[in-house]
Amino acid sequence: AQTIHQWPVAEIKAVGSPLSLGCTIKGKSSPNLYWYWQATGGTLQQLFYSITVGQVESVVQLNLSASRPKDDQFILSTEKLLLSHSGFYLCAWSPHRVNTGQLYFGEGSKLTVL
Amino acid sequence: QQKVQQSPESLTVSEGAMASLNCTFSDGTSDNFRWYRQHSGKGLEVLVSIFSDGEKEEGRFTAHLNRASLHVSLHIREPQPSDSAVYLCAMSPSNTGYQNFYFGKGTSLTVIP
Repeated sequence: AQTIHQWPVAEIKAVGSPLSLGCTIKGKSSPNLYWYWQATGGTLQQLFYSITVGQVESVVQLNLSASRPKDDQFILSTEKLLLSHSGFYLCAWSPHRVNTGQLYFGEGSKLTVL
Repeated sequence: QQKVQQSPESLTVSEGAMASLNCTFSDGTSDNFRWYRQHSGKGLEVLVSIFSDGEKEEGRFTAHLNRASLHVSLHIREPQPSDSAVYLCAMSPSNTGYQNFYFGKGTSLTVIP
């Protein structure tokens, strides 16, 4: 069975500090990977997606970057956090070869920027 | 870009009564619709997927899609307090290879015993 693990579960960071959020998918080879962001009370927005190692497409510009260093790993990062980065970050995957648009989500990482 | 509107913003129903949620979208390019549920501070759980006009049932959850009227709905039969959560509709255009997904803001459902 496929499992998706996000880390950290929650983080409190200062404005201007760096950030790294991670996501690992086990039990599925070559998945499509996605990062989503949800401001408190806001709409879930797609930030990035990746269909293969080393290739990441940006959907929404939020002064964040993403990388896919391994087939099963997706990293979201920034050098300098803004207050507006606070929210809930969700990683998701979908099957690559038989893509029916089904997304499977992790449990999320809650980020508070002070 | 597809715009997705959900209504109502919040809904309170009694346990056992039918709950009905609505979702309208801005254009007919999507052919891939899903309803998700999100308990507070958690990830999203898919409830039902629908790809063509008509009805699709998954357990107590039934989705109705009418692309001509740009509308998809979710009906929850015999809701229980554990169904209290935020319900999100999502759609994906096939012309993006299902790489872009658009979500509504959600309907917060409260089921009272």
